[in-house]
Amino acid sequence: DTAVSQTPKYLVTQMGNDKSIKCEQNLGHDTMYWYKQDSKKFLKIMFSYNNKELIINETVPNRFSPKSPDKAHLNLHINSLELGDSAVYFCASSSRLALRVEQYFGPGTRLTVT
Amino acid sequence: QKEVEQDPGPLSVPEGAIVSLNCTYSNSAFQYFMWYRQYSRKGPELLMYTYSSGNKEDGRFTAQVDKSSKYISLFIRDSQPSDSATYLCAMRLNPGSARQLTFGSGTQLTVLP
Repeated sequence: DTAVSQTPKYLVTQMGNDKSIKCEQNLGHDTMYWYKQDSKKFLKIMFSYNNKELIINETVPNRFSPKSPDKAHLNLHINSLELGDSAVYFCASSSRLALRVEQYFGPGTRLTVT
Repeated sequence: QKEVEQDPGPLSVPEGAIVSLNCTYSNSAFQYFMWYRQYSRKGPELLMYTYSSGNKEDGRFTAQVDKSSKYISLFIRDSQPSDSATYLCAMRLNPGSARQLTFGSGTQLTVLP
């Protein structure tokens, strides 16, 4: 009955590879997010989708491409991985309906690029 | 200057102590203020949120917002070792927008038994 789930939990890969992270939420929310958390615990927004439409696209390299096949899923594909991409990536979701402000986070995907 | 500033700590207190965690911010348009708790190797979990200025209490936790000073606080009474975590403040604009949360950098708290 996990609310926001991500796969994989850990990802170790070499520079130059392409990888994907998947996120699913079963909360019935209409908005999903990708955040990046660096080694100093700073959480920074990358993307946000509302009803499968991209609504936030912060300054992120083009190598990062989000895809939302439906309201409950938001995936993140990363091309040509670089050492600086090593971080923990969190998916989150929220509902714009009923003017709720809370965001619920997944457990994170720890990406290590070697 | 970051939009939200938070002392990263680390902060160590004995069990039973009152803990005060704080954030300052620069954007006066922030309306919603949240505190998240993040255990090691876990995702952030929402602890409390408040709208505009004022206090909100939930058990041992009290959140305070002073919009005039652009300052928010989280107080933990009778702190327990299980409170040991990183505490992140977060803020956002009005709920009708799709704007993301803006986070502080987190304060690492250790409650010693």
